[in-house]
Amino acid sequence: AQKVIQVWSTTSRQEGEKLTLDCSYKTSQVLYHLFWYKHLLSGEMVLLIRQMPSTIAIERSGRYSVVFQKSRKSISLVISTLQPDDSGKYFCALWEATGGNNKLTFGQGTVLSVIP
Amino acid sequence: GALVYQYPRRTICKSGTSMRMECQAVGFQATSVAWYRQSPQKTFELIALSTVNSAIKYEQNFTQEKFPISHPNLSFSSMTVLNAYLEDRGLYLCGARDVSQNTLYFGAGTRLSVL
Repeated sequence: AQKVIQVWSTTSRQEGEKLTLDCSYKTSQVLYHLFWYKHLLSGEMVLLIRQMPSTIAIERSGRYSVVFQKSRKSISLVISTLQPDDSGKYFCALWEATGGNNKLTFGQGTVLSVIP
Repeated sequence: GALVYQYPRRTICKSGTSMRMECQAVGFQATSVAWYRQSPQKTFELIALSTVNSAIKYEQNFTQEKFPISHPNLSFSSMTVLNAYLEDRGLYLCGARDVSQNTLYFGAGTRLSVL
């Protein structure tokens, strides 16, 4: 069974709109973190947001925010005022501390196209 | 800031040959390095997690015999794909863990094509 679920595989929006990318996860661990990454065409994986149990750190400030619902095991990435440069593939990832190892599991990713 | 350099960016090898990719962490100490593969039309799969001074832990379907990893210090790791075949094609990412930030930073990836 998938541990990290991103419902949309692709989506497109007009420039200037706001977008919410949903992600749900499954874990039995008490200690876990959540991340949103953007995968660029160049191959680079850019960290956008880290969500720790009680705090949040936005690595790329400005138009990114999250809606974190811990009881529902859901974390959504919100991008406001979309720009063409926001196009790319977005991955939600779950980091679990299990038996001394930290394992990062990715969702399937969502491809975003922003139409100018 | 924390940076991870990964090279080569692209490589093509003949079926049955091997290729090595390297990962360099700059600006932080990479106590752990995770190697991932994204096969065509798939998400990123963890190959193995390497921690300095600890045994390397391989995920199911991946073995040391096929993907030997070296992690000699807190800034460098390498992985070799031995006897590469078509099913080994894809984008390989190294993620280096910055303990102080409890975050995984990724290199730009190595795209492997197999002829």
